[in-house]
Amino acid sequence: QQQVKQSPQSLIVQKGGISIINCAYENTAFDYFPWYQQFPGKGPALLIAIRPDVSEKKEGRFTISFNKSAKQFSLHIMDSQPGDSATYFCAASTETSGSRLTFGEGTQLTVNP
Amino acid sequence: NAGVTQTPKFRVLKTGQSMTLLCAQDMNHEYMYWYRQDPGMGLRLIHYSVGEGTTAKGEVPDGYNVSRLKKQNFLLGLESAAPSQTSVYFCASSSGPMDRVIKTQYFGPGTRLLVL
Repeated sequence: QQQVKQSPQSLIVQKGGISIINCAYENTAFDYFPWYQQFPGKGPALLIAIRPDVSEKKEGRFTISFNKSAKQFSLHIMDSQPGDSATYFCAASTETSGSRLTFGEGTQLTVNP
Repeated sequence: NAGVTQTPKFRVLKTGQSMTLLCAQDMNHEYMYWYRQDPGMGLRLIHYSVGEGTTAKGEVPDGYNVSRLKKQNFLLGLESAAPSQTSVYFCASSSGPMDRVIKTQYFGPGTRLLVL
């Protein structure tokens, strides 16, 4: 049972464009929504995270948009660069699950120069 | 400060063989996790530990066992490897739920396992 659904599976964007990755969740008890970035041959690393008490969080070129009523959240990468080419995972957790995360399927982003 | 390290980096096993994957962290984290990563399936939690001497099942625990005898180490064992266990295995650690603000998991570099 996949509690966090991620799309698209792969995404190709031109340099300078906007990359958008979407996630939808089912469990309304989720209260923490991080995004992880993974480069080839490396482990995932936290990129940015949001809690449901805000609708948007921005860190540099990376923005999370959160829609609690639709149970959806998305990652926007502005001015995408070839160095952003990686696999991105959305995730979610509940307060009662401690630090355990439920991950989406992942999106392989390619930014062409 | 090495963070999270995993041993070995790559291993080939024959069906039925056993092996142990070692994870070590030097951040004094309470929580440790083992995931497997397969194409199109994201990261799936195998087992996790909320402290020294404790272990718990995750989403896909069958065929695996774990031990956390020391706070800094988390071992993942395969008693009788099967081709379905061919995957990339990641270990992660976190400070735990005590600090509600920070739930970051720190991942190791992964172990690529091929079971023939």
